[in-house]
Amino acid sequence: EAQVTQNPRYLITVTGKKLTVTCSQNMNHEYMSWYRQDPGLGLRQIYYSMNVEVTDKGDVPEGYKVSRKEKRNFPLILESPSPNQTSLYFCASSLSHGPQPQHFGDGTRLSIL
Amino acid sequence: GNSVTQMEGPVTLSEEAFLTINCTYTATGYPSLFWYVQYPGEGLQLLLKATKADDKGSNKGFEATYRKETTSFHLEKGSVQVSDSAVYFCALGGNQGGKLIFGQGTELSVKP
Repeated sequence: EAQVTQNPRYLITVTGKKLTVTCSQNMNHEYMSWYRQDPGLGLRQIYYSMNVEVTDKGDVPEGYKVSRKEKRNFPLILESPSPNQTSLYFCASSLSHGPQPQHFGDGTRLSIL
Repeated sequence: GNSVTQMEGPVTLSEEAFLTINCTYTATGYPSLFWYVQYPGEGLQLLLKATKADDKGSNKGFEATYRKETTSFHLEKGSVQVSDSAVYFCALGGNQGGKLIFGQGTELSVKP
């Protein structure tokens, strides 16, 4: 089954404690992206990757890092989380960049205390 | 810059009512337009898309027409069901790499 898998689905942690949210897709997609969803703001792109070892900032990259060492994986790293990063996070992938529909994971709800 | 504006929710309808969720956009070039649906506790799923002016996307009884003259992509369904209760997102993409620009989402609640 084609899917995008995120882990964990839920996490409550404290300010400053490094965390990683993993994302993996099994569709051999080139393009992967991270979004955060906040009430009244829709989804905003954090980072994206057009292919292995190619990453770039989206609209709200501050406080986040990503890496793309393998095509299937695109982890999101919060080196020093802060309460304003409490949000619902989605990983997405598509065959390539361009006007392609994106496949989304089920989301990761992060609470930073 | 590019942007998407959706009508605010929540929208509450009775089963079998007609649904319209308005979406307008601002964009340079010729973007593609999408509607995504998010059921509770799940990620976003593509509902329908249109890639050029006057295209009509349709799926599961939902329709939306890409109107360049009014920069709109309104979502419609003739008869909603309780199972259509979800959050609906209008999105624009394709002219800035793979990035999708989303509206704020409209929550739909359908009562029996």
